[in-house]
Amino acid sequence: AAGVIQSPRHLIKEKRETATLKCYPIPRHDTVYWYQQGPGQDPQFLISFYEKMQSDKGSIPDRFSAQQFSDYHSELNMSSLELGDSALYFCASSSLDRGHGGQETQYFGPGTRLLVL
Amino acid sequence: AQKVTQAQTEISVVEKEDVTLDCVYETRDTTYYLFWYKQPPSGELVFLIRRNSFDEQNEISGRYSWNFQKSTSSFNFTITASQVVDSAVYFCALNPGTSGTYKYIFGTGTRLKVLA
Repeated sequence: AAGVIQSPRHLIKEKRETATLKCYPIPRHDTVYWYQQGPGQDPQFLISFYEKMQSDKGSIPDRFSAQQFSDYHSELNMSSLELGDSALYFCASSSLDRGHGGQETQYFGPGTRLLVL
Repeated sequence: AQKVTQAQTEISVVEKEDVTLDCVYETRDTTYYLFWYKQPPSGELVFLIRRNSFDEQNEISGRYSWNFQKSTSSFNFTITASQVVDSAVYFCALNPGTSGTYKYIFGTGTRLKVLA
């Protein structure tokens, strides 16, 4: 079965540079989520999109922005990178089950490991 | 407040032992969803189980079983006859489904080491 695809898998950047992470959800999934997992920490929610509109926002820095495109893929843009941005960035996708007030399970991609030097 | 607590930071067991990973959650929502994910050393997050708040039946899948008790707000995970391949970090997560948000709130994870 098709899974969530994330690219690149690894990324090394210098401080103050920019980075763009891409996420391709499972086919027919309409919701995309971004999470950040620092070393030894649990994943923290950044932002989500449903049908190309931002649906929820978490602890995403103002230096970061994201969008979902017409083909449902999503990109996380990170500017003015800081050392503390070094982390594993996960994208997840699901189908939003609004009829039951909840959602289907989020399936996670393999993650993009970002190292800021 | 929405919160997930995994009090066990790290557990070590010898292969073939049974092990239970604890998860306690807090939410004011009457409808919510609980999940367990496995994160092996390679880093990906692997979905294990989803449980709705209105379904308190326990579940068994092979060597894995889950005990959901609303009375104690717990959703514990037991691995029977553990194997070295079970070594990973296990996360419990809460989705407060009726709060208008669909993000997951993760616990801090439990690192399980299964020794040969």
